[in-house]
Order: sequence, then C-alpha cells, then structure tokens
Amino acid sequence: NAGVTQTPKFRVLKTGQSMTLLCAQDMNHEYMYWYRQDPGMGLRLIHYSVGEGTTAKGEVPDGYNVSRLKKQNFLLGLESAAPSQTSVYFCATGKGLNTEAFFGQGTRLTVV
Amino acid sequence: DAKTTQPPSMDCAEGRAANLPCNHSTISGNEYVYWYRQIHSQGPQYIIHGLKNNETNEMASLIITEDRKSSTLILPHATLRDTAVYYCIVRVGGTGNQFYFGTGTSLTVIP
Repeated sequence: NAGVTQTPKFRVLKTGQSMTLLCAQDMNHEYMYWYRQDPGMGLRLIHYSVGEGTTAKGEVPDGYNVSRLKKQNFLLGLESAAPSQTSVYFCATGKGLNTEAFFGQGTRLTVV
Repeated sequence: DAKTTQPPSMDCAEGRAANLPCNHSTISGNEYVYWYRQIHSQGPQYIIHGLKNNETNEMASLIITEDRKSSTLILPHATLRDTAVYYCIVRVGGTGNQFYFGTGTSLTVIP
C-alpha cells in the first residue's frame, strides 16, 4: 500500500520547457489536490479535483494545467516553465467532506 | 472563508506539554478545525480535527472554545521528534473540501 506517490522527486527545467508531474494514489479517494510551497511559506493550493474527470482552480492556478482522466491519477502540467515556478510541489488526496487529507512526499522543481 | 492566526514560533522543553494556540474568529458553524504538521520538507502529516467538542487521539488533544473562535493543540509529552511547523486550518465549505494553509507555528522542542 503505497498511499500517495509523486513522480518525479526532483527535476531541473530550463525556462520555457514543459513537464508533467504525476500524482498516483491507491486509496480510492475521490478528492485530489496540488499544492506548491515556497521557502518560509505555507502550502498554497494550485488546482484540485473532486472526482474523475473534474478539475477546479485553487489560489494560484496561473501557469499550470491539470487533468484527472483516471480516478487514481492527478497530473499537473507546466506548459512553459518560468523561474517563479521553482518550488516544492505536494499532492494530496482525501476521501470526502470533513475527512483528513493525505500528502505525498513532494517534488522539488527548479527552473533555471 | 475563515482565516486562522497562529504565533510564528514557540519553544517547549522535552517531556513537557506543548500547547499551540490558534485563533479563528470568523469560523462558520459547519467548518471544522484541522491540525497538520510538517517536519523538515516532508509532506504535511495529519494530526487531529474537530467541530465543537474536544478531541483526543494517540498523537494529540484538540481543545475548542465554546464560541469556537479559538482552539489549542496539545502535545502531552513533547519529544525532539515533535519539532516541526504546525498548521491550524479551518476547512472551507462547499464542494471542493479544500485545505488552505497559513504560515503555521514553528515548534522547537528543546532537550
């Protein structure tokens, strides 16, 4: 039982390159979330999904796209990476309303 | 959306109880209070949550005031491994069930 798995764990991109971060869960949870965390700050919600085929914007969605084609996977895409997107990205999943969320171990992304 | 206010940092002696306060004066009647912690740069770890009654589990106790405008997370016997950033979060209502994190309290447990 792996829980929430993020791929990759580390990545360095050049400005303008694109990439996709994968979040996979084996807990059959409906809700999935993508957060970013910058130094000295709390986590900020980028996008989230309340079920397969659905996505919605969070606090800081600009420059990112997401897809939830399968219930167990939530993909975060950067179409044209910028240095301001250098951050640690966390994925989380949740069973439903008024339940806790479970977080992955993060993806450290550097854009140069 | 209900916001939370926490002190930026606290110290606690090892073996003593750590009491972490949180103000959430604009909380709505159906919003829960959640506590998470983050050790180093790991993913946040769930600790406890509650609506209006006090709650206790194997990790901590959560005390919510009667007017629900503030709460306290209690770690009964703090250890060095409890050194972390602790986040108090009020769950946003609606369909998204999102968690919005503030900057939290950095707790240092001192030997």
